[in-house]
Amino acid sequence: ETGVTQSPTHLIKTRGQQVTLRCSSQSGHNTVSWYQQALGQGPQFIFQYYREEENGRGNFPPRFSGLQFPNYSSELNVNALELDDSALYLCASSPGWGGTGELFFGEGSRLTVL
Amino acid sequence: AQRVTQPEKLLSVFKGAPVELKCNYSYSGSPELFWYVQYSRQRLQLLLRHISRESIKGFTADLNKGETSFHLKKPFAQEEDSAMYYCARTGTSYDKVIFGPGTSLSVIP
Repeated sequence: ETGVTQSPTHLIKTRGQQVTLRCSSQSGHNTVSWYQQALGQGPQFIFQYYREEENGRGNFPPRFSGLQFPNYSSELNVNALELDDSALYLCASSPGWGGTGELFFGEGSRLTVL
Repeated sequence: AQRVTQPEKLLSVFKGAPVELKCNYSYSGSPELFWYVQYSRQRLQLLLRHISRESIKGFTADLNKGETSFHLKKPFAQEEDSAMYYCARTGTSYDKVIFGPGTSLSVIP
């Protein structure tokens, strides 16, 4: 069973640029959630995708967008990067309906905005 | 708003001492409650969930609906328990999980 994988692991961007982060969900999971974890804080919910549709969104501006593909992998896109976007971005998959609520996390993509 | 609070950012205990990590949640519906743990250089992972009523690695968590608390306890702390602990609850959808700010537990040998 393959776990959740994320890429890239680290990246550096400058203000105003755009970034795309990728996530492959665990085998058998059709739901992907994205979280932002700033230094010293808990993960903050960005949004969730279930069967290619957005299924809930946290308190993040529209420049944070996402996609889920037919194989249930997912992308997080952030436009017009700001310094405060520097954080660890975590992807988590789950089996969706019928699941236990447990999230399976990747190791994260650490974004630094200069 | 659905919130989870953990009042202690850092908690240090001696090996063999009891440990309690506090968690309070905002009352909204009937949330499912969890404790997640992140050991050094490992990914965030589930430690235990309320619905299972199980003990994992000697840890238990008691749900007190009156106080909206879900404190994590272990009678005898071990060095390998040193980690970051996050309390979490489900939101409006079962899989949307909201995390607290975390408590860093350090077990002193």
